[in-house]
Amino acid sequence: DTEVTQTPKHLVMGMTNKKSLKCEQHMGHRAMYWYKQKAKKPPELMFVYSYEKLSINESVPSRFSPECPNSSLLNLHLHALQPEDSALYLCASSQPGQRRTDTQYFGPGTRLTVL
Amino acid sequence: TQLLEQSPQFLSIQEGENLTVYCNSSSVFSSLQWYRQEPGEGPVLLVTVVTGGEVKKLKRLTFQFGDARKDSSLHITAAQPGDTGLYLCAGDASGTYKYIFGTGTRLKVLA
Repeated sequence: DTEVTQTPKHLVMGMTNKKSLKCEQHMGHRAMYWYKQKAKKPPELMFVYSYEKLSINESVPSRFSPECPNSSLLNLHLHALQPEDSALYLCASSQPGQRRTDTQYFGPGTRLTVL
Repeated sequence: TQLLEQSPQFLSIQEGENLTVYCNSSSVFSSLQWYRQEPGEGPVLLVTVVTGGEVKKLKRLTFQFGDARKDSSLHITAAQPGDTGLYLCAGDASGTYKYIFGTGTRLKVLA
């Protein structure tokens, strides 16, 4: 099973709302990632969790707050977003390996629209 | 700064034609992944290449990793409309989970 699930599939929120994106994997992977993808562009890395600890934050604004409650779950808390934050948000996971052959598996994404 | 340059950016071909997509970098990668992505969906893994000079085949798709592990190519034989999509290469050159994606190749196969 190489499935990564994400909920919700679509989300529309106002600039004053607080919402959360959820990601789950049951492959035993110990690295999990959040990406942002704008239309017609490749995904851009936002955050990386390795063994449930935040290891990379790509200078993401504080209105995005990641959380890794356990090795299977990854959340992205959203607050006071801007319309330019509208995008496809992708979650991925991988299993770190000695030979650096870890491969990322992606979820289907959450299409976020900020009004 | 790590960069993965893909070429061509766009490709529109007739069903049955062959094509090759290139992914190039000045950095060495321990492995490279190729993904296909449909609009509004997440990237779907096609293959991981690990060893320099490696060739992997997936039905009509042939993937090659350069000898120096700085470049890769994807060749599609007898393209079909179902091959339409965005093709992305990706990798982590620094070994720090800081994956980068290539610039993407948007393929359209016309029936």
